[in-house]
Amino acid sequence: EAGVAQSPRYKIIEKRQSVAFWCNPISGHATLYWYQQILGQGPKLLIQFQNNGVVDDSQLPKDRFSAERLKGVDSTLKIQPAKLEDSAVYLCASSFLTGGGGRSYNEQFFGPGTRLTVL
Amino acid sequence: AQSVTQLDSHVSVSEGTPVLLRCNYSSSYSPSLFWYVQHPNKGLQLLLKYTSAATLVKGINGFEAEFKKSETSFHLTKPSAHMSDAAEYFCVVSNINAGKSTFGDGTTLTVKP
Repeated sequence: EAGVAQSPRYKIIEKRQSVAFWCNPISGHATLYWYQQILGQGPKLLIQFQNNGVVDDSQLPKDRFSAERLKGVDSTLKIQPAKLEDSAVYLCASSFLTGGGGRSYNEQFFGPGTRLTVL
Repeated sequence: AQSVTQLDSHVSVSEGTPVLLRCNYSSSYSPSLFWYVQHPNKGLQLLLKYTSAATLVKGINGFEAEFKKSETSFHLTKPSAHMSDAAEYFCVVSNINAGKSTFGDGTTLTVKP
C-alpha cells in the first residue's frame, strides 16, 4: 500500500515569510497527525485530526500556525509569519481510527517529513 | 498526563555485541508503548509495539522489548548489533483512549566495526 506522502521535502524561507506543507495520509486512515521535530529532539505533536475534526491542538502555536483537513483526507499545515525557531522537520503521520477491538489503533505511519529552514 | 524518558542520549556498541536502549515512562492510563527507528534522511519506522498483550514484544530486525509495569520501563534490546542498526531510536508512550502520543528525545545508536 502507498505510504504517507508529504511535500515539499525541503523548504528554505526568510523570517516573517509564510509557508505551507501538504500531507496525504494512507487511504482509509481516519487519524492524521502533524509533528514538529527540532534537531536533537523527539517529535512534538502539533495537532491531531480525527477525520476532519481537531482532537488535540494544545501544542500548536495558534498565533502563527494553522492546519486544516478538509474532507477528512489530506491536510495542510501553514506557518505565517515564520520565525527562526520554526526551523525543524515537520512530520505527518496517519493511523487507523482509534478505539477498541484489539487492533493496533495507535500505530502511526510516518511520511518522510519536510525540512524547513528559516533564515 | 504522560511522559517518556530515554535514559541515554548516545549508546555506542561494537558490531556483534548486545544492544540495550533504556526507556522509562509515566502514564495516568494503561499505556501503549512503541519503539521507532529513524535512519538519516528517512522517515520514522515502527520497530515494535506493546498494546496490553504479551509483555515481551518481538519486533523487526531482531529487536525486542519487555514491558515492566512495576518498573515503568520498556527497554529495547538486540542480542547482536549490525552496522545497519546505527540510527536514532525513539520510545513512545500513547494513551489508548485518546490516541495521543508522546515521544522521548531519542537515543543515537552508533555501531563500531
